[in-house]
Amino acid sequence: GAGVSQTPSNKVTEKGKYVELRCDPISGHTALYWYRQSLGQGPEFLIYFQGTGAADDSGLPNDRFFAVRPEGSVSTLKIQRTERGDSAVYLCASSLRATGADRTGELFFGEGSRLTVL
Amino acid sequence: AQRVTQPEKLLSVFKGAPVELKCNYSYSGSPELFWYVQYSRQRLQLLLRHISRESIKGFTADLNKGETSFHLKKPFAQEEDSAMYYCALGAGGFKTIFGAGTRLFVKA
Repeated sequence: GAGVSQTPSNKVTEKGKYVELRCDPISGHTALYWYRQSLGQGPEFLIYFQGTGAADDSGLPNDRFFAVRPEGSVSTLKIQRTERGDSAVYLCASSLRATGADRTGELFFGEGSRLTVL
Repeated sequence: AQRVTQPEKLLSVFKGAPVELKCNYSYSGSPELFWYVQYSRQRLQLLLRHISRESIKGFTADLNKGETSFHLKKPFAQEEDSAMYYCALGAGGFKTIFGAGTRLFVKA
């Protein structure tokens, strides 16, 4: 595809349920990021993958949140026992591995998955 | 601590007026700074980065390490500049931290 694709675009669930959000990055991009954006806030870093491994998961708020990228392409963010406070737009981004002085690559974002926990 | 501060949630200017969106950062290492923009009903996208030292859509931003700032400026605002602007910090190891954002509204 031409850009980062995220599904579903909207998800409404009940408190306590399990949710999976999917991200399909730009082909050839080795780096993949998940961010969470609450109303009126900027994107909040959750986790970053380089290839298949989570290089930095310091932003995951607690152990109810987990993300995988088994083949180094598509990633799934998994949220267990959802709570109302998990309601937000979950953004995925991908980038090429940066080189030289450009240590942080340009992030290409998807349109986000809006999660509403009732 | 790694932090990006955008003090203004909303900035409203008239068309043709100069605009400056403020950004301050906190980072102990060598920073990489970016401005991302989100136009209405579009996805978040990169506007410019400090290492490129370029002007995009008439916008420029200079990294001031002494003041730990990376303010975004444009001499003459246009209506199509109305959008949400996020300052971002490359905090090492590919981690990018975003500010809370400033909504720019350019009035006709």
